[in-house]
Amino acid sequence: SAVISQKPSRDICQRGTSLTIQCQVDSQVTMMFWYRQQPGQSLTLIATANQGSEATYESGFVIDKFPISRPNLTFSTLTVSNMSPEDSSIYLCSVPGSPAYNEQFFGPGTRLTVL
Amino acid sequence: RKEVEQDPGPFNVPEGATVAFNCTYSNSASQSFFWYRQDCRKEPKLLMSVYSSGNEDGRFTAQLNRASQYISLLIRDSKLSDSATYLCVVNGRNTGKLIFGQGTTLQVKP
Repeated sequence: SAVISQKPSRDICQRGTSLTIQCQVDSQVTMMFWYRQQPGQSLTLIATANQGSEATYESGFVIDKFPISRPNLTFSTLTVSNMSPEDSSIYLCSVPGSPAYNEQFFGPGTRLTVL
Repeated sequence: RKEVEQDPGPFNVPEGATVAFNCTYSNSASQSFFWYRQDCRKEPKLLMSVYSSGNEDGRFTAQLNRASQYISLLIRDSKLSDSATYLCVVNGRNTGKLIFGQGTTLQVKP
């Protein structure tokens, strides 16, 4: 499986500010995914980041709040904009595994606390 | 109704016990099925894919019943290190989108 790293691993931010989370993969992948895991909850897909095109957002998530960049096949960023305490979550990026089975492998996550 | 439903537990079992987790999914067009394990404050890690014929990996056995839209995970001879949250995950129509259940928490006690 791919080796995935995320920066920062954690952060504490003030309300109204923005945070950009980086995801780096050690191999080229066509798709990268961004998930959110709110406290005590399971994972929810925010968007799919495609290289060379705009990200595809899931229902309930919008580009103005969660802008995504995908400048190349090994890197993506997710920005959490104009943060509020409700944005306190773990944010995880993932990449596909084998085409045959469609599993995904996850980065270590970014633990965000908004005060 | 949630797309993927699991009993959140917790399941508290002694070492050596056999424990089974169940999961149901709502989308009959779902194509791929997985069990992930998530330890506290860590990312989910793929435990095993679930094949139509069922599959076994050591102490772990996964079963899929497409007609009933039901997935199961059996853990035999539980170890303390099996304590974690087990996530039932479904990928529909090869879209790349994974749908996660809320997870079932297992605590294995000495």
